[in-house]
Amino acid sequence: QVQLVQSGAEVKRPESSVKVSCRASGGTFDKFAFSWVRQAPGQGLEWMGGIIPIFDLAHYAQNFQGRVTITADKFTRTAFMELRSLRSDDTAVYYCARSDYDHYASGSLRYRYFDLWGRGTLVTVSS
Amino acid sequence: QSVLTQPPSVSGAPGQRVTISCTGSSSNIGAGYDVHWYQQLPGTAPKLLIFGNNNRPSGVPDRFSGSKSGSSASLAITGLQAEDEADFYCQSYDNSLSGPVFGGGAKLTVL
Repeated sequence: QVQLVQSGAEVKRPESSVKVSCRASGGTFDKFAFSWVRQAPGQGLEWMGGIIPIFDLAHYAQNFQGRVTITADKFTRTAFMELRSLRSDDTAVYYCARSDYDHYASGSLRYRYFDLWGRGTLVTVSS
Repeated sequence: QSVLTQPPSVSGAPGQRVTISCTGSSSNIGAGYDVHWYQQLPGTAPKLLIFGNNNRPSGVPDRFSGSKSGSSASLAITGLQAEDEADFYCQSYDNSLSGPVFGGGAKLTVL
């Protein structure tokens, strides 16, 4: 059964960085896109960005541009999300989620629905 | 402030029918992009419930259905059961933000 296995919980100081991993066990890694979606305590879901490993192309939500980097290692079937300059309001559960994507003749790419989710990684930012 | 607007809460008695609305704009749902729905049980990751406006993944009961009209979409749940208590999120694509967007979530309480 295909699963997304995420790395464990982290506690970080303000202004530091965190890097969370998401390994796809089973299935075809290259065929899909992998996104990061976060959920602050008691709050809703927020798409941070994603990567399409076969193109090694990452996309970022405007709110996180310049502060997040999403990468993927096709050999280990693992996606990574690094968030820098952490603040207390970055305390959240970070989910990895898989999706198909649409690829248009113009070259643009569009993420579709998220059909598989990891269990989430709690990142706590506290001094 | 979420791009897609959902009611914060909905409720219904066992066996009843409830609907959850999701209102967008001309840059997302109104632009023709599909709407998808997720169910998040307490303490767990979201799970895909409806994709492409009105399609159920394998294993999702037909008590759950989706619809879309104009800049809005709805999730309907019939024959409410206690185990349906969860948060429900709609999701679409926004061309001005160039990425997926979510609603703020609606908490379903089964009375």
